[in-house]
Amino acid sequence: QSALTQPASVSGSPGQSITISCTGSSNDVASYNFVSWYQQHPGKAPKLVIFGVTNRPSGISNRFSGSKFGNRASLTISGLQADDEADYYCSSYRSGNTPYVFGTGTKVTVL
Amino acid sequence: EVQLVESGGGLVQPGGSLRLSCAASESTINRYWIYWVRQAPGKGLVWVSRIGYDGRSTDYADSVKGRFTISRDNGRNTVYLQMNSVRVEDTAVYYCLRGGANYQFDDWGQGTLVTVSS
Repeated sequence: QSALTQPASVSGSPGQSITISCTGSSNDVASYNFVSWYQQHPGKAPKLVIFGVTNRPSGISNRFSGSKFGNRASLTISGLQADDEADYYCSSYRSGNTPYVFGTGTKVTVL
Repeated sequence: EVQLVESGGGLVQPGGSLRLSCAASESTINRYWIYWVRQAPGKGLVWVSRIGYDGRSTDYADSVKGRFTISRDNGRNTVYLQMNSVRVEDTAVYYCLRGGANYQFDDWGQGTLVTVSS
């Protein structure tokens, strides 16, 4: 069950924009628009911030946006705030025996 | 938003068994697929299992297939994960999740910690 590939860490200053990548394969990210993103603060359960590649759930700031090109999905956080400091995971539907796969996770640091 | 509360975690010896429960705050959960995802200490998220609305459709990650069994009791708004023949590598926080139409995980419980150790 190989995970989607994310950078281990990304950092930025308050007010800046950062982008987190999520690289998959033809079995998942490239073939399905079922990519979602989750934010996890230390000691807390993850929270959905993007689903269906580009959609935000109710209550999620429009500073969070998602996109996809080929086998790579991306999460962009604009106007970076202190509370955005957290771990972020992508997830995708996948064809085959295991229908879901998560990314390796990215730690976002606000400088 | 559906509130999900996991219970049943704890310390278990290798080869032992444990049953996790996921109780929902409302009966609307019976319209959704429910999932279990786990996170080993300091590690990432890993999908474990899922169950369909009526309990007839189930899937498992290869790492737990044949050892774990997912089930649901819609009358009690509860989903279960029976864990048998547990291994040290099953040590993790187990989260119960409600699935959405785009294969996303909309609502998460607070998690329950399972520790497999002798």
